Amino acid sequence: QKEVEQDPGPLSVPEGAIVSLNCTYSNSAFQYFMWYRQYSRKGPELLMYTYSSGNKEDGRFTAQVDKSSKYISLFIRDSQPSDSATYLCAMGAGNNRKLIWGLGTSLAVNP
Amino acid sequence: DAGVIQSPRHEVTEMGQEVTLRCKPISGHDYLFWYRQTMMRGLELLIYFNNNVPIDDSGMPEDRFSAKMPNASFSTLKIQPSEPRDSAVYFCASSRVSPLHFGNGTRLTVT
Repeated sequence: QKEVEQDPGPLSVPEGAIVSLNCTYSNSAFQYFMWYRQYSRKGPELLMYTYSSGNKEDGRFTAQVDKSSKYISLFIRDSQPSDSATYLCAMGAGNNRKLIWGLGTSLAVNP
Repeated sequence: DAGVIQSPRHEVTEMGQEVTLRCKPISGHDYLFWYRQTMMRGLELLIYFNNNVPIDDSGMPEDRFSAKMPNASFSTLKIQPSEPRDSAVYFCASSRVSPLHFGNGTRLTVT
């Protein structure tokens, strides 16, 4: 079993839809959680960073962490065609700089 | 801030040839990471440096791979000899306290 599981999709939604992206993990030592967005032919860019359980909101994006279930989510409200990208979850523990990554979920938002 | 700069953007080479990938991190960042991304395995950490010193190279697949960071503004990843299974996108990323900032990668094709 991989340390981080992420459904690769692809996920296709109409413009304006609410999108839910998820990752599950097995290592209870993970303390911080990130979502990166990767456009085609580009490097990943940080979207959200959370350090504890609960919700964090930034504009149309909400990151949710449930440590008891070892489950993290990214919600995108009012999705736009410009949100079409691959979304990668990543997580780490303590001072260890080695992040563990999901494989990424490919999202297409159709106008 | 020019971001992390990688060169070349694309590299096509024949099996057995030496390949050198280059990276200029963001000024002031003290951590530098080399990642490899494939569809099957996702993002894999190859090696990372702190203050130009290699900290963890456990992800380097074989002795054919080597990385150096002669100063704070330059790093190289070398593959010698290259093999078709090395074909992937190689990313360099840097960070200070914050999460990773990625370059746009080098797409390597070994025929």
